[in-house]
Amino acid sequence: VQLVQSGPEVKKPGESLNISCQLSGYTVTRYWVAWVRQMPGKGLEWMGAVYPDDSDNRVSPSLRGQVTISADRFSNTAYLQWTSLKASDTGMYYCARHRWSGSVQTEFDFWGQGTQVTVSS
Amino acid sequence: QSVLTQPPSVSGAPGQGVTISCTGTSSNIGARYGVHWYQHLPGTVPRLLIHTNNNRASGVPDRFSGSKSGTSASLTISGLQAEDEADYYCQSYDDSLSGSGVFGGGTRLTVL
Repeated sequence: VQLVQSGPEVKKPGESLNISCQLSGYTVTRYWVAWVRQMPGKGLEWMGAVYPDDSDNRVSPSLRGQVTISADRFSNTAYLQWTSLKASDTGMYYCARHRWSGSVQTEFDFWGQGTQVTVSS
Repeated sequence: QSVLTQPPSVSGAPGQGVTISCTGTSSNIGARYGVHWYQHLPGTVPRLLIHTNNNRASGVPDRFSGSKSGTSASLTISGLQAEDEADYYCQSYDDSLSGSGVFGGGTRLTVL
């Protein structure tokens, strides 16, 4: 199982950004992919998740309208996108897979290596 | 402010045991969701330790154990070792947030 994320990014406020998470080594259609961020000096925060097979997705209520979570099932890749970055978006971003057990979401058992995003003028 | 509440820090001497608490509500831990625990060392990727309340992930030593009761959960680490020094996070989901994932604020474990 591998979740391989795109490399570090340095951007200016107002710029757009798209980071990726390449999925391999497992049946992609059996798992959702979540995005988890860690801002400097802070804890882990769930941002949202996407199902690569049909791109069904959900975003944290606190982040709706600020980020887009999507996936491409043909390339087995999940994406996290911003149209207008802010300095407060600076942080480490992880992708992680999880299943559904019946109607219940489960644990994040495999994680990507993380993508550092720095937004500064 | 995190949805799940953890103590900011705990400490213990090598060989001793510590317990990290995670307090939630009836819409998350007290609902239909399990509680999961992760270990996060600085500069590394979070590692799953315990899933669904009390199940150790593959390769996790039996010094780590988890439990859940009502709207709270706990992670117990026995026989502390220097390499256990890390941040520990509990995680679940929350019905009042449309099934969003939620984390505790994290607990820094210091091995004295």
